[in-house]
Amino acid sequence: QVQLQQWGAGLLKPSETLSLTCAVYGRSFDNSYWGWIRQLPGKGLEWIGEIHHTGVTLYNPSLRSRVIVSVDAAKNHLSLTLTSVTAADTAMYYCATAKGAPVEPASFDTWGQGTLVSVSS
Amino acid sequence: SVLTQPPSVSGAPGQRVTITCTGTSSTLGPGYDVHWYQQLPGTAPKLLIYGNANRASGVPDRFSGSKSDTSASLAITGLQPEDEADYYCQSYDTALSGSVFGGGTKLTVL
Repeated sequence: QVQLQQWGAGLLKPSETLSLTCAVYGRSFDNSYWGWIRQLPGKGLEWIGEIHHTGVTLYNPSLRSRVIVSVDAAKNHLSLTLTSVTAADTAMYYCATAKGAPVEPASFDTWGQGTLVSVSS
Repeated sequence: SVLTQPPSVSGAPGQRVTITCTGTSSTLGPGYDVHWYQQLPGTAPKLLIYGNANRASGVPDRFSGSKSDTSASLAITGLQPEDEADYYCQSYDTALSGSVFGGGTKLTVL
């Protein structure tokens, strides 16, 4: 059974860097791909970006200049880095995974539990 | 959102409801599938339908999906109280070169 467990700082000040990690259990980074999605308070889902087992990364153009999605295959960890955060980045952040060869759009069949990140001075 | 969903739908237990997802030629065009997710209150989204019409593992056959041209639909038959949730469609936007989600539809079981 595939499980994702995520963690990271939940309270940031404006201009700081958001860093989240997602531990992957039950699925190898080979032949799969991985993404981050966020949900602003009371709003819908927003795709942040994803990384394929080949190392190819795709990012939401609205966040591309500030975001990095990476994997540490040795640790089976997925990471999200978002720089220069503002209050507009306050959201629940989810990691998620899709199995098989990358096909767009990714059908994320397993999600992490979510990490609430608040940005406030 | 570039994928348009009705903000809300409702139905009585046992009834059938349909949630639509309308895109454009760059979002739900030929060659790009749509997926559907269910989000129960306070929980992470759960994959319901992938590849337009395939039910994810463990999803009852009361849920079905379809796609035609630049629109897609999620149908739920035999509505049950536990179906009350938010539902999101997802596809690919060629203009953005990335995934996009619909704005979400809140299903209320009367």
